[in-house]
Amino acid sequence: QSALTQPASVSGSPGQSITISCTGTSSDVGGYNYVSWYQQHPGKAPKLMIYDVSNRPSGVSNRFSGSKSGNTASLTISGLQAEDEADYYCSSYTSSSTPYVFGTGTKVTVL
Amino acid sequence: QVQLQESGPGLVKPSGTLSLTCAVSGGSISSSNWWSWVRQPPGKGLEWIGEIYHSGSTNYNPSLKSRVTISVDKSKNQFSLKLSSVTAADTAVYYCAVLIAAAGTAPYWGQGTLVTVSS
Repeated sequence: QSALTQPASVSGSPGQSITISCTGTSSDVGGYNYVSWYQQHPGKAPKLMIYDVSNRPSGVSNRFSGSKSGNTASLTISGLQAEDEADYYCSSYTSSSTPYVFGTGTKVTVL
Repeated sequence: QVQLQESGPGLVKPSGTLSLTCAVSGGSISSSNWWSWVRQPPGKGLEWIGEIYHSGSTNYNPSLKSRVTISVDKSKNQFSLKLSSVTAADTAVYYCAVLIAAAGTAPYWGQGTLVTVSS
Protein backbone atom coordinates (compact mmCIF):
# COMPACT_ATOMS: atom_id res chain seq x y z
CA GLN A 1 0.00 0.00 0.00
CA SER A 2 1.60 3.27 -1.10
CA ALA A 3 1.41 6.34 1.09
CA LEU A 4 -0.95 9.13 0.15
CA THR A 5 0.84 11.96 -1.63
CA GLN A 6 1.20 15.32 0.10
CA PRO A 7 3.39 18.29 -0.82
CA ALA A 8 6.58 18.27 1.22
CA SER A 9 6.13 21.85 2.29
CA VAL A 10 3.65 24.71 2.18
CA SER A 11 4.22 28.21 3.46
CA GLY A 12 2.24 31.36 4.00
CA SER A 13 2.26 34.67 5.78
CA PRO A 14 0.24 35.34 8.92
CA GLY A 15 -3.40 35.95 8.07
CA GLN A 16 -3.22 34.20 4.71
CA SER A 17 -4.96 30.97 3.78
CA ILE A 18 -3.14 27.85 2.68
CA THR A 19 -4.31 24.51 1.37
CA ILE A 20 -2.62 21.15 1.76
CA SER A 21 -3.53 18.41 -0.68
CA CYS A 22 -3.64 14.67 -0.08
CA THR A 23 -3.84 12.56 -3.22
CA GLY A 24 -4.74 8.91 -3.25
CA THR A 25 -6.77 6.55 -5.39
CA SER A 26 -10.31 5.30 -5.76
CA SER A 27 -9.37 2.55 -3.28
CA ASP A 28 -8.79 5.01 -0.47
CA VAL A 29 -9.45 8.77 -0.55
CA GLY A 30 -11.78 8.58 -3.52
CA GLY A 31 -13.72 5.59 -2.31
CA TYR A 32 -14.50 6.42 1.30
CA ASN A 33 -15.36 9.42 3.44
CA TYR A 34 -12.87 8.39 6.11
CA VAL A 35 -10.17 11.00 5.59
CA SER A 36 -8.59 12.52 8.67
CA TRP A 37 -6.03 15.27 9.12
CA TYR A 38 -3.48 15.50 11.93
CA GLN A 39 -1.27 18.33 13.14
CA GLN A 40 2.02 17.40 14.77
CA HIS A 41 4.36 19.76 16.55
CA PRO A 42 7.94 18.58 17.19
CA GLY A 43 8.11 15.99 19.91
CA LYS A 44 4.34 15.84 20.29
CA ALA A 45 1.70 13.30 19.41
CA PRO A 46 -0.44 13.88 16.33
CA LYS A 47 -3.48 16.03 17.08
CA LEU A 48 -6.70 15.36 15.19
CA MET A 49 -7.85 18.41 13.25
CA ILE A 50 -10.40 16.97 10.80
CA TYR A 51 -12.12 13.58 10.52
CA ASP A 52 -14.57 12.01 8.09
CA VAL A 53 -13.35 14.47 5.40
CA SER A 54 -14.81 17.63 6.88
CA ASN A 55 -15.79 17.17 10.52
CA ARG A 56 -13.97 19.23 13.10
CA PRO A 57 -13.52 17.78 16.60
CA SER A 58 -14.61 19.82 19.56
CA GLY A 59 -11.98 22.37 20.49
CA VAL A 60 -10.36 22.66 17.06
CA SER A 61 -10.41 26.16 15.59
CA ASN A 62 -12.87 26.81 12.78
CA ARG A 63 -9.92 28.18 10.82
CA PHE A 64 -9.31 24.55 9.85
CA SER A 65 -11.55 22.98 7.24
CA GLY A 66 -11.49 19.84 5.13
CA SER A 67 -12.91 18.82 1.78
CA LYS A 68 -12.58 16.18 -0.90
CA SER A 69 -12.85 16.06 -4.68
CA GLY A 70 -12.35 12.78 -6.44
CA ASN A 71 -9.18 11.11 -5.20
CA THR A 72 -7.80 14.25 -3.54
CA ALA A 73 -8.61 15.54 -0.08
CA SER A 74 -7.64 19.01 1.09
CA LEU A 75 -7.02 20.78 4.38
CA THR A 76 -7.39 24.54 4.36
CA ILE A 77 -6.02 26.72 7.12
CA SER A 78 -7.43 30.23 7.02
CA GLY A 79 -6.09 33.21 8.94
CA LEU A 80 -2.71 31.51 9.27
CA GLN A 81 -1.10 31.95 12.70
CA ALA A 82 2.40 31.29 14.00
CA GLU A 83 1.09 28.40 16.10
CA ASP A 84 -0.06 26.63 12.94
CA GLU A 85 3.56 25.96 12.00
CA ALA A 86 3.82 22.18 12.25
CA ASP A 87 3.78 18.96 10.26
CA TYR A 88 0.44 17.82 8.88
CA TYR A 89 -0.56 14.30 7.93
CA CYS A 90 -3.63 12.98 6.20
CA SER A 91 -4.95 9.45 6.59
CA SER A 92 -7.62 7.42 4.89
CA TYR A 93 -9.40 4.12 5.14
CA THR A 94 -8.42 1.88 2.26
CA SER A 95 -9.61 -1.34 0.69
CA SER A 96 -6.04 -2.31 -0.17
CA SER A 97 -3.65 -4.57 1.74
CA THR A 98 -3.92 -2.49 4.93
CA PRO A 99 -7.15 -0.87 6.17
CA TYR A 100 -5.48 2.49 6.75
CA VAL A 101 -2.90 4.57 4.92
CA PHE A 102 -1.15 7.78 5.93
CA GLY A 103 0.06 10.66 3.84
CA THR A 104 3.71 11.53 3.32
CA GLY A 105 3.40 14.60 5.51
CA THR A 106 3.57 18.35 4.85
CA LYS A 107 5.65 20.87 6.74
CA VAL A 108 3.77 24.14 7.12
CA THR A 109 5.92 27.21 7.61
CA VAL A 110 4.54 30.57 8.70
CA LEU A 111 6.71 33.23 7.12
CA GLN B 1 -14.08 10.82 26.76
CA VAL B 2 -11.98 7.79 25.96
CA GLN B 3 -8.28 8.06 26.73
CA LEU B 4 -5.46 5.77 25.68
CA GLN B 5 -2.14 5.34 27.50
CA GLU B 6 0.82 3.37 26.20
CA SER B 7 3.30 1.70 28.54
CA GLY B 8 6.29 -0.58 28.25
CA PRO B 9 10.09 -0.68 28.19
CA GLY B 10 11.78 2.22 26.47
CA LEU B 11 14.85 0.20 25.54
CA VAL B 12 14.95 -3.17 23.79
CA LYS B 13 18.00 -5.11 22.69
CA PRO B 14 18.49 -6.06 19.03
CA SER B 15 16.90 -9.43 18.17
CA GLY B 16 14.68 -9.10 21.23
CA THR B 17 10.93 -8.59 21.48
CA LEU B 18 9.28 -5.22 21.89
CA SER B 19 6.23 -5.38 24.17
CA LEU B 20 3.80 -2.52 24.74
CA THR B 21 0.41 -2.20 26.37
CA CYS B 22 -2.33 0.34 25.74
CA ALA B 23 -4.70 0.99 28.62
CA VAL B 24 -8.18 2.21 27.70
CA SER B 25 -9.97 4.51 30.14
CA GLY B 26 -13.28 6.33 29.94
CA GLY B 27 -14.73 3.65 27.71
CA SER B 28 -14.85 -0.07 27.07
CA ILE B 29 -12.51 -2.02 24.86
CA SER B 30 -15.56 -4.11 23.99
CA SER B 31 -17.10 -1.17 22.13
CA SER B 32 -17.44 -1.30 18.35
CA ASN B 33 -13.95 -0.01 17.62
CA TRP B 34 -10.88 -1.48 16.04
CA TRP B 35 -7.86 -0.73 18.25
CA SER B 36 -4.69 0.11 16.34
CA TRP B 37 -0.96 0.47 16.82
CA VAL B 38 0.89 3.12 14.78
CA ARG B 39 4.57 3.98 14.86
CA GLN B 40 6.77 6.89 13.79
CA PRO B 41 10.55 6.53 13.45
CA PRO B 42 12.49 9.65 14.41
CA GLY B 43 12.14 12.31 11.73
CA LYS B 44 9.90 10.13 9.58
CA GLY B 45 6.21 9.64 8.84
CA LEU B 46 3.48 7.51 10.36
CA GLU B 47 3.20 3.77 9.76
CA TRP B 48 0.20 1.62 10.65
CA ILE B 49 1.24 -1.61 12.37
CA GLY B 50 -1.98 -3.49 13.00
CA GLU B 51 -5.33 -3.56 14.80
CA ILE B 52 -7.53 -5.76 16.93
CA TYR B 53 -11.24 -6.02 17.68
CA HIS B 54 -12.49 -7.03 21.11
CA SER B 55 -13.42 -10.43 19.68
CA GLY B 56 -9.73 -11.03 19.03
CA SER B 57 -9.87 -10.56 15.26
CA THR B 58 -6.74 -8.90 13.95
CA ASN B 59 -5.36 -7.22 10.85
CA TYR B 60 -1.65 -6.59 10.34
CA ASN B 61 0.52 -4.55 8.01
CA PRO B 62 1.92 -7.12 5.54
CA SER B 63 5.38 -5.57 5.89
CA LEU B 64 5.43 -6.45 9.61
CA LYS B 65 3.01 -9.36 9.76
CA SER B 66 5.62 -12.07 10.36
CA ARG B 67 6.89 -10.31 13.48
CA VAL B 68 3.75 -8.74 14.99
CA THR B 69 1.22 -10.04 17.48
CA ILE B 70 -1.59 -7.88 18.86
CA SER B 71 -3.75 -9.21 21.66
CA VAL B 72 -6.62 -7.93 23.82
CA ASP B 73 -7.31 -8.35 27.54
CA LYS B 74 -10.94 -7.44 28.15
CA SER B 75 -10.66 -8.02 31.90
CA LYS B 76 -8.03 -5.26 32.10
CA ASN B 77 -9.57 -3.08 29.36
CA GLN B 78 -6.33 -3.02 27.44
CA PHE B 79 -4.62 -4.31 24.34
CA SER B 80 -1.01 -5.14 23.63
CA LEU B 81 1.63 -5.19 20.92
CA LYS B 82 4.53 -7.60 20.54
CA LEU B 83 7.12 -7.10 17.82
CA SER B 84 9.79 -9.78 17.60
CA SER B 85 13.31 -9.86 16.16
CA VAL B 86 13.69 -6.10 16.45
CA THR B 87 16.48 -4.10 14.85
CA ALA B 88 17.51 -0.45 15.02
CA ALA B 89 14.98 0.19 12.24
CA ASP B 90 12.21 -0.52 14.75
CA THR B 91 13.26 2.44 16.90
CA ALA B 92 10.23 4.71 16.90
CA VAL B 93 7.52 6.39 18.90
CA TYR B 94 4.70 3.86 19.20
CA TYR B 95 1.12 5.08 19.46
CA CYS B 96 -2.09 3.24 20.20
CA ALA B 97 -5.12 4.70 18.49
CA VAL B 98 -8.62 4.33 17.17
CA LEU B 99 -8.33 5.60 13.60
CA ILE B 100 -12.02 5.32 12.66
CA ALA B 101 -14.31 5.55 15.67
CA ALA B 102 -17.70 3.91 15.94
CA ALA B 103 -20.92 5.87 15.39
CA GLY B 104 -19.12 8.64 13.54
CA THR B 105 -17.33 9.95 16.58
CA ALA B 106 -13.85 11.41 16.36
CA PRO B 107 -10.74 9.20 16.23
CA TYR B 108 -8.39 9.30 19.20
CA TRP B 109 -4.75 8.54 20.01
CA GLY B 110 -2.53 7.95 22.99
CA GLN B 111 0.41 10.23 23.71
CA GLY B 112 2.92 7.73 22.39
CA THR B 113 5.98 6.07 23.86
CA LEU B 114 9.51 6.06 22.48
CA VAL B 115 11.10 2.65 22.09
CA THR B 116 14.79 2.53 21.27
CA VAL B 117 16.42 -0.64 19.97
CA SER B 118 20.02 -0.68 21.09
CA SER B 119 22.48 -2.92 22.86
